[in-house]
Amino acid sequence: DTGVSQDPRHKITKRGQNVTFRCDPISEHNRLYWYRQTLGQGPEFLTYFQNEAQLEKSRLLSDRFSAERPKGSFSTLEIQRTEQGDSAMYLCASSPSDRGPYNEQFFGPGTRLTVL
Amino acid sequence: AQSVTQLGSHVSVSEGALVLLRCNYSSSVPPYLFWYVQYPNQGLQLLLKYTTGATLVKGINGFEAEFKKSETSFHLTKPSAHMSDAAEYFCAVTLTSGTYKYIFGTGTRLKVLA
Repeated sequence: DTGVSQDPRHKITKRGQNVTFRCDPISEHNRLYWYRQTLGQGPEFLTYFQNEAQLEKSRLLSDRFSAERPKGSFSTLEIQRTEQGDSAMYLCASSPSDRGPYNEQFFGPGTRLTVL
Repeated sequence: AQSVTQLGSHVSVSEGALVLLRCNYSSSVPPYLFWYVQYPNQGLQLLLKYTTGATLVKGINGFEAEFKKSETSFHLTKPSAHMSDAAEYFCAVTLTSGTYKYIFGTGTRLKVLA
């Protein structure tokens, strides 16, 4: 069990550029979540995948954000035309689905995005 | 709608003193509750969880929490603080159906004084 990994760990970009983050969940986990954490706040839910299907998107996820999980394994989160307000830590988590809410989510180390 | 309130964004305790981090929740259905810890530059790590059964839950690193339905609370405690406990702690509630996404509190940063 290598845990949840995220790449890159840090990303600095200029306003208006596009960025893409990758998350590799724990291999047998079919649930995958993206959260966003800003300074002084707890993580906020962005979107959820069950295998390859994106089943829920938060209203926080504007149309500049898109997430995919094409083969039900790794996931990508893309932000187009970045804005300074997008600066945050983006966290990925995974969980098995066999026991529903009894299963905790396992978090990756996060990708810290800074938009200049 | 479910929500979590963590009282005290910063808590300082002396090494060896009792740690008490407060968490209150709001939920229209029986909640499942979690405490996570976040060390600098690391992901969130599960400390403990309450789903059903015993209301006093023991976790890793000597932490425990008690689910009190009448008080809608799930406070985290540790009898004796250690320098290594300095971190940020998050309480979370999860939906009991559907996506099981977490609703997090705003976090409490624990400082341990020598």
